[in-house]
Amino acid sequence: GAGVSQSPRYKVAKRGQDVALRCDPISGHVSLFWYQQALGQGPEFLTYFQNEAQLDKSGLPSDRFFAERPEGSVSTLKIQRTQQEDSAVYLCASSPRGRGGLEQFFGPGTRLTVL
Amino acid sequence: KQEVTQIPAALSVPEGENLVLNCSFTDSAIYNLQWFRQDPGKGLTSLLLIQSSQREQTSGRLNASLDKSSGRSTLYIAASQPGDSATYLCAVKLVFGAGTILRVKS
Repeated sequence: GAGVSQSPRYKVAKRGQDVALRCDPISGHVSLFWYQQALGQGPEFLTYFQNEAQLDKSGLPSDRFFAERPEGSVSTLKIQRTQQEDSAVYLCASSPRGRGGLEQFFGPGTRLTVL
Repeated sequence: KQEVTQIPAALSVPEGENLVLNCSFTDSAIYNLQWFRQDPGKGLTSLLLIQSSQREQTSGRLNASLDKSSGRSTLYIAASQPGDSATYLCAVKLVFGAGTILRVKS
């Protein structure tokens, strides 16, 4: 595809619901990153994949957050038992090389609102 | 732990003015530094990527410099236009600053 795509673009969840956010990276990109962006703040790192391997999940705020990339392409970020503080924009980025390599390309984000 | 600070937090300038946005970081052991633009409700658009071995990169009216030893980068925008209005973010080792909100008045 031409760029990184994310779906859904907007998600409203009731507190306690589980949600799944999808990221389609640029074809052939090795690295995939998830970020959380609160209003008026810069993105904060959540987790990083190199192909299908999750090499860094140090940014995941709690064990309610889970990410996977089973075939080294599409990735899903799952949030269980959503809380109001999970409301944010979730951004996905991909990069053609490993973590310290080339530039990141971002998707448009998924805006999650937890009521 | 890497910390990234951007100054100023917000900037309003008349059209045509040249301007400088600042980014500082605490850990100079970096691979690269990337400048992004973010429009309201949108994702991030990459503007410039400076590798750690480089001192500057240019793209059109944009010029970014990098001084690793002092932990600083600047983004210079020449002849600003209303379409440049956006939030500008710098990122180092997956750590982002809070951004500078730029408004260019026509």
